[in-house]
Amino acid sequence: DAGITQSPRHKVTETGTPVTLRCHQTENHRYMYWYRQDPGHGLRLIHYSYGVKDTDKGEVSDGYSVSRSKTEDFLLTLESATSSQTSVYFCASQQDSGNTIYFGEGSWLTVV
Amino acid sequence: AQSVTQLGSHVSVSEGALVLLRCNYSSSVPPYLFWYVQYPNQGLQLLLKYTTGATLVKGINGFEAEFKKSETSFHLTKPSAHMSDAAEYFCAVSVSQFYFGTGTSLTVIP
Repeated sequence: DAGITQSPRHKVTETGTPVTLRCHQTENHRYMYWYRQDPGHGLRLIHYSYGVKDTDKGEVSDGYSVSRSKTEDFLLTLESATSSQTSVYFCASQQDSGNTIYFGEGSWLTVV
Repeated sequence: AQSVTQLGSHVSVSEGALVLLRCNYSSSVPPYLFWYVQYPNQGLQLLLKYTTGATLVKGINGFEAEFKKSETSFHLTKPSAHMSDAAEYFCAVSVSQFYFGTGTSLTVIP
């Protein structure tokens, strides 16, 4: 399995505060992804990156931004957290388009 | 447009019984197909994948899936369920992007 680590693994934050989730991969994968997982919705793509400084929006990108300054790191930022962003967030990476996607262990975020 | 449909959000089987989890997809081009498993409080792990070649694909933990182009299906099976198989299972299609189904929760009854 690819070495993908997410931090923090658990976080509770207050409405209106900014939050940054970090994803680090050691496989030199080109593509990286942020998903959120909610009951009844499965996995939904927030943002993805196809190279350093190259990012694009997924289906649920409102309220989120991302940055990728190095191949191994992909940051997800909630500019001003809302209760609707309470979720489990998964980072994933992929060598090339069409190849297997490998997932991190998840970050549990609660916005109160 | 690509999509993935998993029939049955919850499936229950008895220990030792056949496991059958259904996945249908729509794709305008030949896709790569995947099954992932998610145990509680963990990330998704690859069970098996189909890219090209043999349409019957064997994965980890005794699971296998068959790609049927005519039926646009990629159902997951295991001959004999074990308690440790209880988990969430996701089917996925990869064309230019990954598309995941909404998942099937498998319960194994002792």
